[in-house]
Amino acid sequence: DQQVKQNSPSLSVQEGRISILNCDYTNSMFDYFLWYKKYPAEGPTFLISISSIKDKNEDGRFTVFLNKSAKHLSLHIVPSQPGDSAVYFCAAMYGGSNYKLTFGKGTLLTVNP
Amino acid sequence: NAGVTQTPKFQVLKTGQSMTLQCAQDMNHNSMYWYRQDPGMGLRLIYYSASEGTTDKGEVPNGYNVSRLNKREFSLRLESAAPSQTSVYFCASSEPGTDSYNEQFFGPGTRLTVL
Repeated sequence: DQQVKQNSPSLSVQEGRISILNCDYTNSMFDYFLWYKKYPAEGPTFLISISSIKDKNEDGRFTVFLNKSAKHLSLHIVPSQPGDSAVYFCAAMYGGSNYKLTFGKGTLLTVNP
Repeated sequence: NAGVTQTPKFQVLKTGQSMTLQCAQDMNHNSMYWYRQDPGMGLRLIYYSASEGTTDKGEVPNGYNVSRLNKREFSLRLESAAPSQTSVYFCASSEPGTDSYNEQFFGPGTRLTVL
């Protein structure tokens, strides 16, 4: 039973345009959500997070939106750059889970020059 | 600061062999984690240690054991390796409940092949 779902295995966008990566979750106990970025042959690195008490968090070119009623979050990258090409993982946790993360399967983003 | 380090980077084993993957962090974090990443499967939690002296099973613990040697080090042991354990293994650490927003910091990974 997959609790965090990233239904798009891949996404391709042009440099300068917006990239939108989506994530759905099924466990209503999740109260904290994170996005990680992973380059080949490296470990994942933290990108941005959002608490369930908020609906938006912004950090430079990256914005995460949370729609609790729909159990859906999205990561917007504006403008997209070739260096953003990587696999993006959505992850979720709740305090009662000992802060364990549950990851989605990832979305490979390719930004074309 | 090196962050989270893992050794070895690569390893090839034969079925039935044993080995230990080492992980160390220098961020004074209380919590440490072991994940595996398989193609199309995302990262799945094998074991975690919420604090020194405690360990608990994650989503896919079968075939593995762990040791939290001290606050810095958390090792993962395969007693009798199987081809199904071919994967990339990541160690991570965190300091839950702090202003770091529960971010986990990951090591560079160990790529393990079991023949």
